[in-house]
Amino acid sequence: AQTVTQSQPEMSVQEAETVTLSCTYDTSENNYYLFWYKQPPSRQMILVIRQEAYKQQNATENRFSVNFQKAAKSFSLKISDSQLGDTAMYFCAFRNRDDKIIFGKGTRLHILP
Amino acid sequence: ETGVTQTPRHLVMGMTNKKSLKCEQHLGHNAMYWYKQSAKKPLELMFVYNFKEQTENNSVPSRFSPECPNSSHLFLHLHTLQPEDSALYLCASSQEGRLAGGEQFFGPGTRLTVL
Repeated sequence: AQTVTQSQPEMSVQEAETVTLSCTYDTSENNYYLFWYKQPPSRQMILVIRQEAYKQQNATENRFSVNFQKAAKSFSLKISDSQLGDTAMYFCAFRNRDDKIIFGKGTRLHILP
Repeated sequence: ETGVTQTPRHLVMGMTNKKSLKCEQHLGHNAMYWYKQSAKKPLELMFVYNFKEQTENNSVPSRFSPECPNSSHLFLHLHTLQPEDSALYLCASSQEGRLAGGEQFFGPGTRLTVL
């Protein structure tokens, strides 16, 4: 079965620091998508960043970047210069070739002033 | 309205009530989803509709009944629910197909409380 594991249920960092959220997944497929979604408190879930498995280059979106290690099946999210507005639940997700999407349990991130 | 909208945002119902949740997407997508989000549990996919046809039902109890009249609207009909069904119900949409990016767009959710 395909699974997504986020080993950090909760994290706290000081504002302006860099934080890395970990995610590992299990699949036998070669082509797939990986995502990080952000769900702020009482607000809508939104996509943070997306990685296509066939692309070796790590995706970046402003202060957000990923470290995609395909062989290790690892997909961590790095947030640089963290801001108070980054406080949220972060979900790692995997989408297989059948378009089925599987979410991890999430990491609750607190940015402290 | 843009994106994915859900109504109502909050719902309190008794176990004998019948209610419906509504989702509408304004993105021209061809697939829509219902998820259940409970505290300390991963997102649970409930139903998937692709081109208005139900393509997945993840062993959801029959007290939850989905309806997809067209590719822009999705309903979740609720009847004789249990207190453990209290959760945030999220609707999402996406554009399916090999050339699509695979991203799902989520609505704000309906916070359901069953008394």
